[in-house]
Amino acid sequence: GQQVQQSPTSLVLQEGENAELQCNFSTSLNSMQWFYQRPGGSLISVFYNPSGTKQSGRLTSTTVIKERRSSLHISSSQITDSGTYLCAMEHGSSGNKLIFGIGTLLSVKP
Amino acid sequence: GGIITQTPKFLIGQEGQKLTLKCQQNFNHDTMYWYRQDSGKGLRLIYYSITENDLQKGDLSEGYDASREKKSSFSLTVTSAQKNEMAVFLCASSLDWGNYAEQFFGPGTRLTVL
Repeated sequence: GQQVQQSPTSLVLQEGENAELQCNFSTSLNSMQWFYQRPGGSLISVFYNPSGTKQSGRLTSTTVIKERRSSLHISSSQITDSGTYLCAMEHGSSGNKLIFGIGTLLSVKP
Repeated sequence: GGIITQTPKFLIGQEGQKLTLKCQQNFNHDTMYWYRQDSGKGLRLIYYSITENDLQKGDLSEGYDASREKKSSFSLTVTSAQKNEMAVFLCASSLDWGNYAEQFFGPGTRLTVL
């Protein structure tokens, strides 16, 4: 089965609304990363988040390693936030290999 | 800071053709990776190289070869392109292979096989 489950798979927001994206892991993990990707674009590392809460501007990530979950909160969404958000875990026993979720496709409308 | 460059940006091939994708990084990172991204399937690891002169198979290595020519460059070869294949190939690097090593990605090479 899927080791990294992301939800929702897609999300449509009105500009200004908040978003909460979830990532759940079926196995133990050392750390995880959140990435942002525009259609046809590169993966941009948003957070590298071994544990706890980190904030960068309107984005906040909270990871609870022992509960095998992470969330990404986007406040006051903007049209330019549209794209795919991917989470990936660094497995406990596989060195630095990343296992990716399928992503959440976010669309922010005016 | 640093950047990862991938060439070419777009690659169109014929069925059965051998195709090579190139990746360069100037982070001075030890470890480099090749991933394949298919729509609806997430990224999957093809090959990685822990350090110069090292080569390791990932989960999707069949049908591919890789070469770590020097510390800054890592190439991927599709040994025989499959008809109607479409995917994005992403190169990444990290400082080293230990745990807690953040990965940074290049812009990708988009492959289309006619």
